Amino acid sequence: QQQVKQSPQSLIVQKGGISIINCAYENTAFDYFPWYQQFPGKGPALLIAIRPDVSEKKEGRFTISFNKSAKQFSLHIMDSQPGDSATYFCAAPIYNQGGKLIFGQGTELSVKP
Amino acid sequence: DTAVSQTPKYLVTQMGNDKSIKCEQNLGHDTMYWYKQDSKKFLKIMFSYNNKELIINETVPNRFSPKSPDKAHLNLHINSLELGDSAVYFCASSQGFGVPTSRRNEQFFGPGTRLTVL
Repeated sequence: QQQVKQSPQSLIVQKGGISIINCAYENTAFDYFPWYQQFPGKGPALLIAIRPDVSEKKEGRFTISFNKSAKQFSLHIMDSQPGDSATYFCAAPIYNQGGKLIFGQGTELSVKP
Repeated sequence: DTAVSQTPKYLVTQMGNDKSIKCEQNLGHDTMYWYKQDSKKFLKIMFSYNNKELIINETVPNRFSPKSPDKAHLNLHINSLELGDSAVYFCASSQGFGVPTSRRNEQFFGPGTRLTVL
């Protein structure tokens, strides 16, 4: 099954807190796991990505944790800021299908001041 | 110097009409895509072109016809519009095959076209 399941659907976090969004996948042919960030009225933009041979990747306040055996990966936003309020999508490309990205259902994050 | 641009940004039309959305990228990418984002923000791929050749055609009604006149442009024509076609349509592009996975799969999205069918 070519699905990526994302949770929670929405998340409210206080400024300075940690935001955690989880994704689970089923297809072991996925070989790259990006996270996209989408602000209202804008297109999604790549935020951070990880390959399955790495268990963690950190870029600034954003960290991806990857658990290959559990087929799960998660996005952690440390010291969350109101400017981080957006919809976040996990995704995975299907190997050898022309860059076809399967997206999770999205998580609407709201960071309260 | 917008990377991926789409026109129009908003499109309001009556059921049964035919409309087109245009997309252009100036990133020199070989691959372009059309995505549909529904009211629940779910993103689903519709089509993908690589160097003007159709490589992905999801189960999209044949009222939707993409056209790629060159690798920098991918347009979407929709015939006989229906209420259910109301959505935001995103164009995206990425580098083609023959590059590392990470670069091939980094997709750059346009600002979207909000289509409302009345």
